[in-house]
Amino acid sequence: DQQVKQNSPSLSVQEGRISILNCDYTNSMFDYFLWYKKYPAEGPTFLISISSIKDKNEDGRFTVFLNKSAKHLSLHIVPSQPGDSAVYFCAAKGGGADGLTFGKGTHLIIQP
Amino acid sequence: GAGVSQSPSNKVTEKGKDVELRCDPISGHTALYWYRQRLGQGLEFLIYFQGNSAPDKSGLPSDRFSAERTGESVSTLTIQRTQQEDSAVYLCASSPHYLSGGAVDTQYFGPGTRLTVL
Repeated sequence: DQQVKQNSPSLSVQEGRISILNCDYTNSMFDYFLWYKKYPAEGPTFLISISSIKDKNEDGRFTVFLNKSAKHLSLHIVPSQPGDSAVYFCAAKGGGADGLTFGKGTHLIIQP
Repeated sequence: GAGVSQSPSNKVTEKGKDVELRCDPISGHTALYWYRQRLGQGLEFLIYFQGNSAPDKSGLPSDRFSAERTGESVSTLTIQRTQQEDSAVYLCASSPHYLSGGAVDTQYFGPGTRLTVL
């Protein structure tokens, strides 16, 4: 049973526009959420995170929004750049587990 | 500064053989995690080491999987009698320390070992 769901396997966005990646979760015990970015043949790299006590966290071009009542979070990238093309994983922490629980990822493609 | 390194980068083995995967965490990182990613899936937590505490083995899928860590350094993940469903990329991550109270320390990932069981 997938506790963290990324329902869009891929997303194509034009360079300069906003990219919005979505993530839903089912475990209400999750108390911290993270986004990782992964290029082929490399390990995931940390991008941005948010605690469950907040609803927004911003870092440069990247903003994560959390809607606890809807158990939904999203990552906004604006403006999108070609180097943003990668697989983005949503991850959650909590519920008694030491490790992170990951979604299946969304492949973001930035088109020139 | 060296990041997390893993070896081998690729491993092809025959069903039934044992394999050993190695992870060198970032120096000084007390926490170490193993994950695996099967084709088309997200990362799946396997095991967690924190300092000299007993490891959290809750994610290990079967008793064919085991892992060791010497102090706060190298870790090895061993899979005995490999099966085809063990084929995956095995990723190791380390973080500086474990934070209590819900706070999370950033995990730094290695490039992974791609395991193929024929």
